[in-house]
Parts: sequence; C-alpha cells; structure tokens
Amino acid sequence: EIVLTQSPDTLSLSPGERATLSCKASQSFDSIYLAWYQQKPGQAPRLLIYGASKRATGIPDRFSGSGSGTDFTLIISRLEPEDFALYYCQQYGSSPRAFGQGTKVEIK
Amino acid sequence: EVQLVESGGGFVQPGGSLRLSCVASGFTIRGYSMNWVRQAPGKGLEWIAYISSSDNTIYYADSVKGRFTISRDNAKDSLYLHMNSLRADDTGVYYCAKEGAFVGFNPWGQGTLVTVSS
Repeated sequence: EIVLTQSPDTLSLSPGERATLSCKASQSFDSIYLAWYQQKPGQAPRLLIYGASKRATGIPDRFSGSGSGTDFTLIISRLEPEDFALYYCQQYGSSPRAFGQGTKVEIK
Repeated sequence: EVQLVESGGGFVQPGGSLRLSCVASGFTIRGYSMNWVRQAPGKGLEWIAYISSSDNTIYYADSVKGRFTISRDNAKDSLYLHMNSLRADDTGVYYCAKEGAFVGFNPWGQGTLVTVSS
C-alpha cells in the first residue's frame, strides 16, 4: 500500500509569490499515476495535474508539476487570489488509490 | 457538459443503510473505471471504492470493506454505492469520480452528504 505524505500542511504566502508543494510516497511508483487536485470550500475537488506533469484541460500554465519515483512537486509560479485553496496529491496506479493529507495554501 | 450528479444522501441512524447513486451526463460511463471518494467534515479526501469498466475488478478501502458495495449500470450511465452497517465515522460528503486511463479522477460529482447519528 502506497502512503502519500504532503508538506507543508499549511503554506502562508502573498499573492504574486511562488508556492512549492511537496508529495512524498512511501514507495516508488510510475509517475504516470500521480495527480494533483485543488479543492475550495464547499466545492468538489478539481483535477489540476495528471501524469505528474500534465496540466488538465483549462488549467493555467502557472501550475506545474514534476517529480518521479517517490518525490513529486506542485509549483504555482505566481499566486492569484483564486489559488488560495487546499491541494491534494493522489496515486491512481494501484489500490488503495491514496490521497495525501492535503496542503492548505492560505493568504499571509 | 460533462458532469456527474450524486444523490441518495441523508440522515441515518447507526446501523442503518443507504444507497447512493451517481448519474453521468454528457458522456457515457461505459469504458471507464469509476470511484467513490468521501470527505469527513473538516478532513481530507478518502478514497473508498473502485469498479473497473467491465465490473471484473472491484476494490475497497479497509474502512468500508464488508459493509459497502459498489456497482454500476452502464445502460443507465449510473454508479451506485450500497452502504450497510453505517457508523458515525461514515459521516461526510460522498463524491463519485470518473477515472480515465492514466489521467486521474475527472470529473467529480458535486457530492452528497451522509450523516450518521442517533
């Protein structure tokens, strides 16, 4: 069973700043099965990144993903007001299709 | 518009049962694996069940194994979650999500709230 650990739990930044979110897996897996989701209060999660680095349809290019093996990163190059939200990583190559515990990006 | 719509949530006493439904519009679920994910109040996302496109493969999280059953009706573009022996810690918003090959969970439904309390 793959366990995903995200860090930090909370990231306090100002609009315009760069956000770097980490997702570490308990064991290595193929990066084609790593996704990132954004969730805002009262809303369903939204797919941002799949295959570790591919942006989903309609996702702005300020969002980028990278990584392989056990270490994955989501970068938001310049935070817009609408980017302050919760972010989850997930592996979907095996079951359980685990999510990380989430990183909250909040306004400083 | 491609979307999933869940229904069937509500208030139930411990030990009770509920059946959740998820209907697709704008696409057919045939050919896609489907999942249920839940979120307890103020908590993170918890994957709970998976069903392959052909029904041949089903997986459950340990937390629901033996109590919940996932099923699908491709002719109705519908996914179901039968929940038995409900407990207080099953309370939360339940989401269905389509799993594309190598492309993660997309789209997600808007969620349906299940509250288990005496």
